Amino acid sequence: DTGVSQDPRHKITKRGQNVTFRCDPISEHNRLYWYRQTLGQGPEFLTYFQNEAQLEKSRLLSDRFSAERPKGSFSTLEIQRTEQGDSAMYLCASSSNAGGDTEAFFGQGTRLTVV
Amino acid sequence: GQSLEQPSEVTAVEGAIVQINCTYQTSGFYGLSWYQQHDGGAPTFLSYNALDGLEETGRFSSFLSRSDSYGYLLLQELQMKDSASYFCAVPSGAAGNKLTFGGGTRVLVKP
Repeated sequence: DTGVSQDPRHKITKRGQNVTFRCDPISEHNRLYWYRQTLGQGPEFLTYFQNEAQLEKSRLLSDRFSAERPKGSFSTLEIQRTEQGDSAMYLCASSSNAGGDTEAFFGQGTRLTVV
Repeated sequence: GQSLEQPSEVTAVEGAIVQINCTYQTSGFYGLSWYQQHDGGAPTFLSYNALDGLEETGRFSSFLSRSDSYGYLLLQELQMKDSASYFCAVPSGAAGNKLTFGGGTRVLVKP
């Protein structure tokens, strides 16, 4: 297992288009997180899954954002009707239940640019 | 809510020691984590303190004082590869199921 992988690494889209990102967590991890990071800032929590259940969503996550983890393995994050303010790095992380939340393993992220 | 404050930037020379402070305000406290992120890279876990005191891991140490809502990351024998951003973070939300990060401290190591 090579860690958390995200696809694509970069995405440029026109304002108003829909985009979808994929995250493959470490295989034995049942917890999966999405964060958003803008330049010079720390990651901001978006949403969290335990297995296939989405247990928490940030108020940052508007109705245009939706995330799924249909079989408790990979996850997708979709942004509909993208806006320039959505331009950011979208990070996925996973952790194992046994370790609690003291260590999260992050992917390299998907950098979204909305033009 | 949660908030974490840390300095925005620190510059030091190779071989020096750098201390990155983090003060936090939280509605519930589980512990304090530290992550390192190189430019263009993923954040990687460095340490976690649940109890007061100093935890040492090689050249890096992390300290926590729960009564002062304060912690720090100590980088010793600085190397060029230590140039990166360092984030303090706290587990937060229901049962600490998510991480709230500080704004990050950019460390620049000069030869």
